[in-house]
Amino acid sequence: GAGVSQTPSNKVTEKGKYVELRCDPISGHTALYWYRQSLGQGPEFLIYFQGTGAADDSGLPNDRFFAVRPEGSVSTLKIQRTERGDSAVYLCASSLTRELNTEAFFGQGTRLTVV
Amino acid sequence: AQSVTQLDSQVPVFEEAPVELRCNYSSSVSVYLFWYVQYPNQGLQLLLKYLSGSTLVKGINGFEAEFNKSQTSFHLRKPSVHISDTAEYFCAVSANYGGSQGNLIFGKGTKLSVKP
Repeated sequence: GAGVSQTPSNKVTEKGKYVELRCDPISGHTALYWYRQSLGQGPEFLIYFQGTGAADDSGLPNDRFFAVRPEGSVSTLKIQRTERGDSAVYLCASSLTRELNTEAFFGQGTRLTVV
Repeated sequence: AQSVTQLDSQVPVFEEAPVELRCNYSSSVSVYLFWYVQYPNQGLQLLLKYLSGSTLVKGINGFEAEFNKSQTSFHLRKPSVHISDTAEYFCAVSANYGGSQGNLIFGKGTKLSVKP
């Protein structure tokens, strides 16, 4: 596809369950980011991948959150033992590189609701 | 560490009126500055960015912003708004790591509502 694709667009889960959120970046983009946008807030950085490796995971709130990008393309954000406070829109973005003049393109997000 | 403050959570204006959306930042290092727009049910879209050079930056859809280092501001302006500009606008900064971008730090957003 032409843009960053995130699936599912909406996910409702029960407290305590495990969820996976998928991000398909733009083909050829080596940098991939996950952000979380809570209601009334701006997006908050979670994790950044350069290729297959997590170059910066300093934004992950706790060890229930984990993300992978095994082949340097698709990424999956995994949340264990979900809590109501995890409810938010999870945004994925990709860019060609991290160099100046490269733009980060965002997907439409996955709206996660924990009930 | 960097932070971004968007002073207005909501800005209502009439069509064809000028608008300014305010953004202030704080940082202990050199930064790059961005404005993103989020239309209803769509992803974030880059409006414009300041990396270096001229402090007046022009973006898409007739928007422009001015970087003011002494006031640590990067206010967004448009001389005449349209109904279609109704959206939420986010100011963001990233640290300048010797020519590479850092992660984006966003403000809380300003909802622009253009009325006929």
